[in-house]
Amino acid sequence: GAGVSQSPSNKVTEKGKDVELRCDPISGHTALYWYRQSLGQGLEFLIYFQGNSAPDKSGLPSDRFSAERTGGSVSTLTIQRTQQEDSAVYLCASSLTGSSNQPQHFGDGTRLSIL
Amino acid sequence: GENVEQHPSTLSVQEGDSAVIKCTYSDSASNYFPWYKQELGKGPQLIIDIRSNVGEKKDQRIAVTLNKTAKHFSLHITETQPEDSAVYFCAASKRSQGNLIFGKGTKLSVKP
Repeated sequence: GAGVSQSPSNKVTEKGKDVELRCDPISGHTALYWYRQSLGQGLEFLIYFQGNSAPDKSGLPSDRFSAERTGGSVSTLTIQRTQQEDSAVYLCASSLTGSSNQPQHFGDGTRLSIL
Repeated sequence: GENVEQHPSTLSVQEGDSAVIKCTYSDSASNYFPWYKQELGKGPQLIIDIRSNVGEKKDQRIAVTLNKTAKHFSLHITETQPEDSAVYFCAASKRSQGNLIFGKGTKLSVKP
């Protein structure tokens, strides 16, 4: 597809379980971002990958959160030992380069519900 | 760090009227200001953006203005239509960081 693809679109899991969320960026985009959107709130930055550089992890809320980007393309966000406050929509975006004035294009997100 | 404030949180207009949403930012190093439209169950969609070397930009019924001195920028939608109803987010970023800092959003309702 032409846009950013995220899977699954919905995920329900029990507290304490680990979850993996996947993001397929737009082909050729070197920068990839993860954001979190809690109910009725704005978007909160989590982590940013640019090419082969070390990722900017400054937005990750705890050490239970981690992310990888393999081969400079697909990214996986992992949340270990999920808590109820992790319930949110997790959004992925990509841009052509990591320059601050490059448009970021978003996927439709993964809606995560922790029971 | 950067802080972006957005007003109003909700806005209701009659079809055909104009809508204005305003944002302020705190970091004078910010140089890129996009606006996103988010419909229910969808990801944010970029509708217009402006860079700090420009004061105004228009695209059909949508325009954005930027006042760097006052550190605020605004979205103007003219001749509103029911399909403009959505949540709109402003954001800012600066050269030394790639991620966007978002406002908390404005829920726009256009009544037919």
